[in-house]
Amino acid sequence: AQTVTQSQPEMSVQEAETVTLSCTYDTSESDYYLFWYKQPPSRQMILVIRQEAYKQQNATENRFSVNFQKAAKSFSLKISDSQLGDAAMYFCAYRSSTDSWGKFQFGAGTQVVVTP
Amino acid sequence: NAGVTQTPKFRVLKTGQSMTLLCAQDMNHEYMYWYRQDPGMGLRLIHYSVGEGTTAKGEVPDGYNVSRLKKQNFLLGLESAAPSQTSVYFCASSTGANYGYTFGSGTRLTVV
Repeated sequence: AQTVTQSQPEMSVQEAETVTLSCTYDTSESDYYLFWYKQPPSRQMILVIRQEAYKQQNATENRFSVNFQKAAKSFSLKISDSQLGDAAMYFCAYRSSTDSWGKFQFGAGTQVVVTP
Repeated sequence: NAGVTQTPKFRVLKTGQSMTLLCAQDMNHEYMYWYRQDPGMGLRLIHYSVGEGTTAKGEVPDGYNVSRLKKQNFLLGLESAAPSQTSVYFCASSTGANYGYTFGSGTRLTVV
């Protein structure tokens, strides 16, 4: 079974600065999907970014970008120009392309604290 | 444009009591999932369904049952609640195996 590891329980960043969240995963598959989800204090899970393993290009969404290193099995999230609204728990998730049930494997999460 | 709706949002149960959590989606999604979220453990899959009348066990199914009698509804039942089931429960749905999830807003359950 695949495992997803987020080694940073908490990260602190000042407003307007950049923070990078790490995520590593263990898999023997060559094709899969990776996701970052944001969970603010409201508890709602919000999709931040999605990456398909067969695509070389790193995904970006406005101030959010990923550094996908397939050989290293690493999928880090960079938040640029951090804002107070970015304060949340962030989850990395893996989904196999061969799993017809579409199940996700989530990491333990990283709490991002944004200071003024 | 409700998306995925979970009821109730909060609940306190006594040990041994039973309850049902309801998840309803209006997006005509085939795939639905129940996860539980615990500190330091991320989200873990309890049960899931890939269509009306079909369900399967996930990573942590013990103590839970599910039913999907209608495509839009996915029910999670606790027959005899235990303190270890204190958690935040999330329902999610998806249009297919290669797509992201749409989540409900969660249910915080406390078993005393």
